[in-house]
Amino acid sequence: DTAVSQTPKYLVTQMGNDKSIKCEQNLGHDTMYWYKQDSKKFLKIMFSYNNKELIINETVPNRFSPKSPDKAHLNLHINSLELGDSAVYFCASSPRPSTSGNTIYFGEGSWLTVV
Amino acid sequence: RKEVEQDPGPFNVPEGATVAFNCTYSNSASQSFFWYRQDCRKEPKLLMSVYSSGNEDGRFTAQLNRASQYISLLIRDSKLSDSATYLCVVNRELIFGQGTELSVKP
Repeated sequence: DTAVSQTPKYLVTQMGNDKSIKCEQNLGHDTMYWYKQDSKKFLKIMFSYNNKELIINETVPNRFSPKSPDKAHLNLHINSLELGDSAVYFCASSPRPSTSGNTIYFGEGSWLTVV
Repeated sequence: RKEVEQDPGPFNVPEGATVAFNCTYSNSASQSFFWYRQDCRKEPKLLMSVYSSGNEDGRFTAQLNRASQYISLLIRDSKLSDSATYLCVVNRELIFGQGTELSVKP
């Protein structure tokens, strides 16, 4: 069974479109994250939710809006897509918010290409 | 200065070699440190945590130097399967370095 699953795995879309990436974890974790990995391989945290509450909200355009309907799901909606949004988006989860020794588990990534 | 910095490599080494990577961090209050491994077009996976006294897991040894603010990863007897990008992670907010690419050749 996949622990952290995200869909779609690949997404090619035109500039200006709105798209969503869904994420679900079956590990019973309280905390979920969205990370963005760009073409230079930098992995940057975007958002983190703990029990459906937003706890980390890094400086990202407000075109990006996370939604957590319950603690097992964290979806990412992106409005008015731009070329620079092309990247791999990783969903992840951990048992608790980031603390010493906390292991984070990643989904397989969603490869977004904006054309 | 970036919060977490790594030499991006690539490090090209022969099988059986010993290779070491360093990762420097800027926040002296950082408390938690990890090494993750990321294979090409795959998600990062935890390799090992880094403890203050240093720790070893088979061929892998992790060290922390608080005075100089860096962590290190030593891989002994490199295998072809060790080829990957190694990411250091610092602090509670799980700040990732940009990764060091390792390529082990026959």
